Amino acid sequence: QQQVKQSPQSLIVQKGGISIINCAYENTAFDYFPWYQQFPGKGPALLIAIRPDVSEKKEGRFTISFNKSAKQFSLHIMDSQPGDSATYFCAASRETSGSRLTFGEGTQLTVNP
Amino acid sequence: NAGVTQTPKFQVLKTGQSMTLQCAQDMNHNSMYWYRQDPGMGLRLIYYSASEGTTDKGEVPNGYNVSRLNKREFSLRLESAAPSQTSVYFCASSETQGSNSPLHFGNGTRLTVT
Repeated sequence: QQQVKQSPQSLIVQKGGISIINCAYENTAFDYFPWYQQFPGKGPALLIAIRPDVSEKKEGRFTISFNKSAKQFSLHIMDSQPGDSATYFCAASRETSGSRLTFGEGTQLTVNP
Repeated sequence: NAGVTQTPKFQVLKTGQSMTLQCAQDMNHNSMYWYRQDPGMGLRLIYYSASEGTTDKGEVPNGYNVSRLNKREFSLRLESAAPSQTSVYFCASSETQGSNSPLHFGNGTRLTVT
């Protein structure tokens, strides 16, 4: 069963718009929530990550919002650019599993110029 | 500054054939991982090695074996390939086993089993 569910599967946004990708998790023991970005033909790379002791983390145009009670977290990309077109994966892990991540299904983002 | 290197990049196998996917990292990382990526399923952990000399099963280990040859190298072997093993395989490494130790991925091996 998928312990981390991600939506939407694909997303098309105009340049300058806001891209929003959502994830929901089941295991309340998860305590680390990273987002990975993957370009075609490449492996995923860490984009931004959050722990549940904060509700929001911002790095440049990328923001993670975290709702512990709802067991949901989301990635917001402000002022989306064509260079942001990629596949985005949310993930989760817990202290006892270390860096062994459980990934969401992935979202293919296309930003049109 | 190679990072994580995977070979080969592409491979086509017939059902029942065997092969080994190679992975090497030059970042002196302790932990290494093998994931498979399938459309609509994200990345799923096959096997991992927390440190040199140890290996453990992940979420989908059936049909695979691994060897942590030394600190740098972690190989994945398919003894008798099946069409269900058609996938893109990614090797990754992390400095430690800590939950906030980011994974560094290679560029993948695209495997087709006919």
